[in-house]
Amino acid sequence: IAGITQAPTSQILAAGRRMTLRCTQDMRHNAMYWYRQDLGLGLRLIHYSNTAGTTGKGEVPDGYSVSRANTDDFPLTLASAVPSQTSVYFCASSEYAGSNTEAFFGQGTRLTVV
Amino acid sequence: GQNIDQPTEMTATEGAIVQINCTYQTSGFNGLFWYQQHAGEAPTFLSYNVLDGLEEKGRFSSFLSRSKGYSYLLLKELQMKDSASYLCASMDSNYQLIWGAGTKLIIKP
Repeated sequence: IAGITQAPTSQILAAGRRMTLRCTQDMRHNAMYWYRQDLGLGLRLIHYSNTAGTTGKGEVPDGYSVSRANTDDFPLTLASAVPSQTSVYFCASSEYAGSNTEAFFGQGTRLTVV
Repeated sequence: GQNIDQPTEMTATEGAIVQINCTYQTSGFNGLFWYQQHAGEAPTFLSYNVLDGLEEKGRFSSFLSRSKGYSYLLLKELQMKDSASYLCASMDSNYQLIWGAGTKLIIKP
């Protein structure tokens, strides 16, 4: 089934540990995004990639890094997790970065940093 | 600054009509999106407006007024499965989506 897959589904992580959230899509979409969703707040963009080989910073990039070595994969790394990074993380993709482009979301990763 | 405002929660009755409002203020404008998100699930696309007016898609319609920075999502013939959060998002001049916090819609029988 075509779509976008995230792993893990949920994770409890000790503060200070390094963690990589995985995201893979098989729709050959050019643009990919990482968002975090916190109660009472809208989705906030962490990092994005408009095409393979390029990445950009979103609204809340501090403490996170990404890479886009190929079209399909867009991993998000927390170098040294802190409790404020407890959140639900969504990866999304769209055919291209532009207007009138529907974003498709993964099922999310629920991360708890303790 | 950039800001999206929408009500936190609304309640409606099965079979009725509900209108969810959204006001936006973003740096540039490249369209207004509505997404539906059931509890514990991923957001899914509902509608896109870039020109003023009403776009109808089955039981759901979306309206945009660019001069007022205003949009609404209209849901007709409400069904219990419509209980979800509805997310309004404006696309800014960099083609990035600025999201509202979402409106939780509770449908009562």
